[in-house]
Amino acid sequence: QLQLVESGGGVVQPGRSLRLSCAASGFSLSNNGMHWVRQAPGKGLEWVAFISYDGNNKYYGDSVKGRFTISSDNSKNTLYLQMSSLRAEDTAVYFCAKDPLYQGSGSWYFDYWGQGTLVTVSS
Amino acid sequence: DIQMTQSPSSLSASVGDRVTITCRASQSISSYLNWYQQKPGKAPKLLIYTTSSLQSGVPSTFSGSGSGTDFTLTISSLQPEDFATYYCQQSYSAPLTFGGGTRLEIK
Repeated sequence: QLQLVESGGGVVQPGRSLRLSCAASGFSLSNNGMHWVRQAPGKGLEWVAFISYDGNNKYYGDSVKGRFTISSDNSKNTLYLQMSSLRAEDTAVYFCAKDPLYQGSGSWYFDYWGQGTLVTVSS
Repeated sequence: DIQMTQSPSSLSASVGDRVTITCRASQSISSYLNWYQQKPGKAPKLLIYTTSSLQSGVPSTFSGSGSGTDFTLTISSLQPEDFATYYCQQSYSAPLTFGGGTRLEIK
């Protein structure tokens, strides 16, 4: 059964860093691209980043480019999001989500989602 | 970036009603349009991908149509479990973008 479980959220001060994890089961990250999507409290969805199945291609949303880094460890079947220079506007629930395309450049939509982890940026 | 505009932003309807939600893209996205349902405190759920393909396990009361810049999500007969927020999302080009959401409430 396919499952995605995020962890690593919490309260962090502005300007600091935080790393989120997403443990995948029921499929291999070496076969599918993965995304991070976030949702600020009471707001809509915002795409954050994508990594291809082979790790060779990474794309970022404009608001996080240069501050966030997406990566994966296929031996642990775990996806990461390294967030640095955090701002108040990064406060959100962060979801990891699976791209449905098998070993391709990505279908660019999300067929399975984790339950999310809350990141609060506040002094 | 491609802007996605949903209408209406909220909608009240009754069980058994037929409901249509519209999504408009700021430029042509061919058929690269997807729909999600989100309930409070839960992750979004994929309903329809590439305009009209029904995700496995999604009831056939949901359907999608459109092309280019204008798309619709239709629920043919509302069920109690359908009251939620719905989002469209373009998968034509990065950065991927969502519509602002349509909150579907019980009348």
